[in-house]
Amino acid sequence: GESVGLHLPTLSVQEGDNSIINCAYSNSASDYFIWYKQESGKGPQFIIDIRSNMDKRQGQRVTVLLNKTVKHLSLQIAATQPGDSAVYFCAENGGSQGNLIFGKGTKLSVKP
Amino acid sequence: GAGVSQSPRYKVAKRGQDVALRCDPISGHVSLFWYQQALGQGPEFLTYFQNEAQLDKSGLPSDRFFAERPEGSVSTLKIQRTQQEDSAVYLCASSLAAGTSVYEQYFGPGTRLTVT
Repeated sequence: GESVGLHLPTLSVQEGDNSIINCAYSNSASDYFIWYKQESGKGPQFIIDIRSNMDKRQGQRVTVLLNKTVKHLSLQIAATQPGDSAVYFCAENGGSQGNLIFGKGTKLSVKP
Repeated sequence: GAGVSQSPRYKVAKRGQDVALRCDPISGHVSLFWYQQALGQGPEFLTYFQNEAQLDKSGLPSDRFFAERPEGSVSTLKIQRTQQEDSAVYLCASSLAAGTSVYEQYFGPGTRLTVT
């Protein structure tokens, strides 16, 4: 079936470095993508979204890149901080009612 | 403002018991979604409401799962005759989205259900 997946299940970075989390999606009909951050014991927290008519969107310390040609999504976190340690999920609106289809997640660990 | 809230935060049920999980969405949000998240996995869609109408229940794993949103605000997910495989975190999300419009979904903290 169509699904969203991640290339790297775990990522360890040094505090202050930039982080890049990658995601591949397979549903070419998806037109909306979201990155969520989930800390232990909490629900997913919205980070940034992007629609398919864009290829880049920036937020505070985060940038999402969308490459529709190769169906690839990435999240860049600048100057990674210990508070960024969490599991990051990408999701696409692949469902018929706008429900999100999530990947398995990437665990980001930030070393002080 | 207030976000999505869920209760209880933790629920332990003996196999065969019925449970009810509550979701209070963000005020004014038209759309409400329920997801199930197994340990170490991403959330998986269960069901969707637009106001009080349940428009999609294709993700409900069996007829033991039932959801309602009678007044278009608070929603309840009920699981009858719980089984061990029902153990998971149940997440509720709400969104301004209606029809074909797409907006971000805001998630609650989830209810962790453990069936013993």
